[in-house]
Amino acid sequence: GQNIDQPTEMTATEGAIVQINCTYQTSGFNGLFWYQQHAGEAPTFLSYNVLDGLEEKGRFSSFLSRSKGYSYLLLKELQMKDSASYLCAVKNSNYQLIWGAGTKLIIKP
Amino acid sequence: GAVVSQHPSWVICKSGTSVKIECRSLDFQATTMFWYRQFPKQSLMLMATSNEGSKATYEQGVEKDKFLINHASLTLSTLTVTSAHPEDSSFYICSAKTTAGEASPLHFGNGTRLTVT
Repeated sequence: GQNIDQPTEMTATEGAIVQINCTYQTSGFNGLFWYQQHAGEAPTFLSYNVLDGLEEKGRFSSFLSRSKGYSYLLLKELQMKDSASYLCAVKNSNYQLIWGAGTKLIIKP
Repeated sequence: GAVVSQHPSWVICKSGTSVKIECRSLDFQATTMFWYRQFPKQSLMLMATSNEGSKATYEQGVEKDKFLINHASLTLSTLTVTSAHPEDSSFYICSAKTTAGEASPLHFGNGTRLTVT
């Protein structure tokens, strides 16, 4: 089967750094996406990785290792508004998006 | 940026009635739109892929006669939940891509929270 694993919930402190991991087992790989979803709202796109390495975009960075089936989303200088769920999604060889269950990030002052 | 508008934001209906949800791409043409359902504390579940001018492709386990999808134009797709039941209560979200490229991310509508009483 195909699956995406992410921690269910994480807690971090305002101003700190947090890393949200995602491991995947899919039938082929054609890219990995990270989305942010605030409670009761639709997801918004954060990042896309298709090659190994780190993609940096402001306070957010995303890393990919295809050989390990692993990615992480790094959030720096955490703000209260970063409290949300973070969804990892992988596009498989059929270009289907396989979604993780999401990681609920709680930011404490 | 790409904007996807979904309407209504929330709807309450009685069991046995039908509900129509609209999804519009406001500043781009979307030949393909995707309909998702999300139950509380769960991830997105793809229901169907809506293709302009042709029949939708439904995921396994999704009843095509219950969830009617129409994609009549390049900017509008509709999902009709027919003969709704309480178990259909969920958060329904549409999405589209601005280009056909695989790196192109999905842009989501704001979602529709359906409650069937």
